[in-house]
Amino acid sequence: DVKVTQSSRYLVKRTGEKVFLECVQDMDHENMFWYRQDPGLGLRLIYFSYDVKMKEKGDIPEGYSVSREKKERFSLILESASTNQTSMYLCASSLTSPSYNEQFFGPGTRLTVL
Amino acid sequence: ILNVEQSPQSLHVQEGDSTNFTCSFPSSNFYALHWYRWETAKSPEALFVMTLNGDEKKKGRISATLNTKEGYSYLYIKGSQPEDSATYLCAPTSGNTGKLIFGQGTTLQVKP
Repeated sequence: DVKVTQSSRYLVKRTGEKVFLECVQDMDHENMFWYRQDPGLGLRLIYFSYDVKMKEKGDIPEGYSVSREKKERFSLILESASTNQTSMYLCASSLTSPSYNEQFFGPGTRLTVL
Repeated sequence: ILNVEQSPQSLHVQEGDSTNFTCSFPSSNFYALHWYRWETAKSPEALFVMTLNGDEKKKGRISATLNTKEGYSYLYIKGSQPEDSATYLCAPTSGNTGKLIFGQGTTLQVKP
């Protein structure tokens, strides 16, 4: 059974803190993605990675960075958390292109920045 | 950035009703369209991935059609059940990459 796991379901942090969100997949997928979901806005892509140590900015990368040192693990880093980063964060993975490979999602991390 | 529109934003139906939603997307440079179902407190799960104009896919009571020339897809649910309550997301791909561009979703509530 395919699985994408995220390190926390709920997280509360203070403004200015450095925050790490971890994602692990056990399907040997090349592609991994970080999204955030806000009411009325759908899922927006923050960053994605198509291979180890490779990354590309998505639509809203400002304030975030990522790390992919191993194929199965993709980390999202908030260097200095701000209140406007309060959101639901979802990780996903897929086989490499082409574009008809479905994405498999983790359970999400609901982050609150106070 | 692709502009993906889903309508309606939300829908409330009675158990047994049939319903449908629309996803509109730019028809140029089309490669694939994904549909996902996202139930509360769960992860989004893929329903269909469609690539060809005129494609029709079916999974149980749920089916989808695709028109790539005019840039839309319909999702149909026949005889809605309370367990169909979820947000339904459509997402065309950004070129022939693994990247998806999600619409804002249609939230369906089915009352027993």
